[in-house]
Amino acid sequence: EDQVTQSPEALRLQEGESSSLNCSYTVSGLRGLFWYRQDPGKGPEFLFTLYSAGEEKEKERLKATLTKKESFLHITAPKPEDSATYLCAVQPPYRGGATNKLIFGTGTLLAVQP
Amino acid sequence: GAVVSQHPSRVICKSGTSVKIECRSLDFQATTMFWYRQFPKQSLMLMATSNEGSKATYEQGVEKDKFLINHASLTLSTLTVTSAHPEDSSFYICSARDEKVPTDTQYFGPGTRLTVL
Repeated sequence: EDQVTQSPEALRLQEGESSSLNCSYTVSGLRGLFWYRQDPGKGPEFLFTLYSAGEEKEKERLKATLTKKESFLHITAPKPEDSATYLCAVQPPYRGGATNKLIFGTGTLLAVQP
Repeated sequence: GAVVSQHPSRVICKSGTSVKIECRSLDFQATTMFWYRQFPKQSLMLMATSNEGSKATYEQGVEKDKFLINHASLTLSTLTVTSAHPEDSSFYICSARDEKVPTDTQYFGPGTRLTVL
């Protein structure tokens, strides 16, 4: 069964304190891994797409990396405005039925204190 | 670019009534849109895949007759919750994929908070 597990469930950082969020997955034939940011009461905002092990992508203070079993979202010198829930989603191989389906993890709630 | 809107953002209705939620891709065309449901402190669960001009594909356990999906144009999909009950109260979010972009990235709408009394 395809599964996505994110850790930790919650993370509290001081402003400027760098850290990493983890997304581990059990999907054979991964087609893509996606990172989103979700603020309370809003829809997810797209951050990154990763397709192959070894791939890295950066955007401002965020950097996403991918291995064959997991992905990390590194946050460098975070600011209070980085506080949000960070969601990881995987796209399994096509097995019939709906295409482009995403399976989401439960997210990591990040709080950055000034 | 890649903006998705939803309307309404919040709706409160009485048990037994039907509620329609609209999802629009504002600056791109989407032959495929997706409908998710999110309960408090839980992740997004895919309900169905909406296909322009054809029937939606529902996930296992989602009642087709209760959650009616119509995708009449390349920029609009609607979800109708029929005969809503309190257990249908949730956060409903749609997403769409830009067909002209060679990635599988889904862009999400802002969500609709449904409360059934």
